[in-house]
Amino acid sequence: GDSVTQMEGPVTLSEEAFLTINCTYTATGYPSLFWYVQYPGEGLQLLLKATKADDKGSNKGFEATYRKETTSFHLEKGSVQVSDSAVYFCALAEGNSGNTPLVFGKGTRLSVIA
Amino acid sequence: KAGVTQTPRYLIKTRGQQVTLSCSPISGHRSVSWYQQTPGQGLQFLFEYFSETQRNKGNFPGRFSGRQFSNSRSEMNVSTLELGDSALYLCASSPGTGSYQETQYFGPGTRLLVL
Repeated sequence: GDSVTQMEGPVTLSEEAFLTINCTYTATGYPSLFWYVQYPGEGLQLLLKATKADDKGSNKGFEATYRKETTSFHLEKGSVQVSDSAVYFCALAEGNSGNTPLVFGKGTRLSVIA
Repeated sequence: KAGVTQTPRYLIKTRGQQVTLSCSPISGHRSVSWYQQTPGQGLQFLFEYFSETQRNKGNFPGRFSGRQFSNSRSEMNVSTLELGDSALYLCASSPGTGSYQETQYFGPGTRLLVL
């Protein structure tokens, strides 16, 4: 079945450091890929998405490129802030079925220190 | 537009009891999905409802059930609660086209503690 693998962390960075969170996926078709973020005590917020190969999703300084050849969707940000501290989830929705539940990775906890 | 709302936000129950959680989707959204989040298993899909019909179901026992009303609001029910049902239950809504490109918008969740 479909699956998502991401580095589990925790990842601790200093403010203004470069962030990469790796995400790879396994799917039988051509999925859409998503990054969601969860702040403490809250639900999930969509951070960015990409729906086809070579698409780049971006939002709030975060970017991720859909790489079909390496089945990856790594999240990057050039300069993190303390306010970016949260748990980040990579997810996919399979393109072959009409009903598309999200399949999530385990999440990566990011702590940014001033 | 108002976001997805879930009630109650927190709930404490004892083993053997049953519980009902409620979700109101974003206005105009017709699909509601439910997910369970636990530290051990992560985020797992429970079921999805569209136009009052269950359209997809995850791998959970029959103790977990749900329904959707004509106004798209949804409820999920867990009967005969077990300690392992303690989790954050997240509801997500989407327009409901069935497209894999569709974004799901999540509510703040209901945190259930089973004692």
